[in-house]
Amino acid sequence: EVQLVESGGGVVQPGGSLRLSCAASGFTFDDYAMHWVRQAPGKGLEWVSLINWNGGTTYYADSVKGRFTISRDNSKNSLFLQMNSLRVEDTALYYCVKDIGSSGWSPFDYWGQGTLVAVSS
Amino acid sequence: EIVMTQSPATLSVSPGERATLSCRASQSLNSNLAWYQQKPGQAPRLLIYGASTRATGIPARFSGSGSGTEFTLTISSLQSEDFAVYYCQQYNHWPPGTFGQGTKLEIK
Repeated sequence: EVQLVESGGGVVQPGGSLRLSCAASGFTFDDYAMHWVRQAPGKGLEWVSLINWNGGTTYYADSVKGRFTISRDNSKNSLFLQMNSLRVEDTALYYCVKDIGSSGWSPFDYWGQGTLVAVSS
Repeated sequence: EIVMTQSPATLSVSPGERATLSCRASQSLNSNLAWYQQKPGQAPRLLIYGASTRATGIPARFSGSGSGTEFTLTISSLQSEDFAVYYCQQYNHWPPGTFGQGTKLEIK
């Protein structure tokens, strides 16, 4: 059974940093691209970042480019999102998401339950 | 950036009836479109990809159609568990993998 378990969310002041983690199991982690997708309270889905199977290719939404960094450790079946210079508008539930394919240009077939990030003074 | 527009924003349908949800893209997607279902307090679930291919375990009452810029999700006979928010997503033009704003399917 595929499982994606996020952690690392919390309350942080504007300008602060957080590091989100996602522990993956139930599939061959290094065969697949992974994503972070977020959902602000009561709002729709926003794709945040993509990393391909070996970490060699990454992409970011314009709204987070230069502030967020996605990475993965295939030896530990883990995905990360380093979030710096956080803004109030980054407040959201952050989902760890598995891609159907290895390069990332595909739909998302499994989602974690999310970790909540709240940016507030 | 591709803009995805879903209509209607809210759809009220009685159980047992058919529901038709629409998604329009600002540029051609070929058939690179997916549909997701999200119930309150839950993560989204993949329903359809490739515009018309059901994901694993998705009941046959869910069907997708369309290509280019116009797409439709049809639920043939609504069950109580189908009332949720539905999102379309394009994956033809990366980045980003743009989502529509969602259609809330509610009980009439």
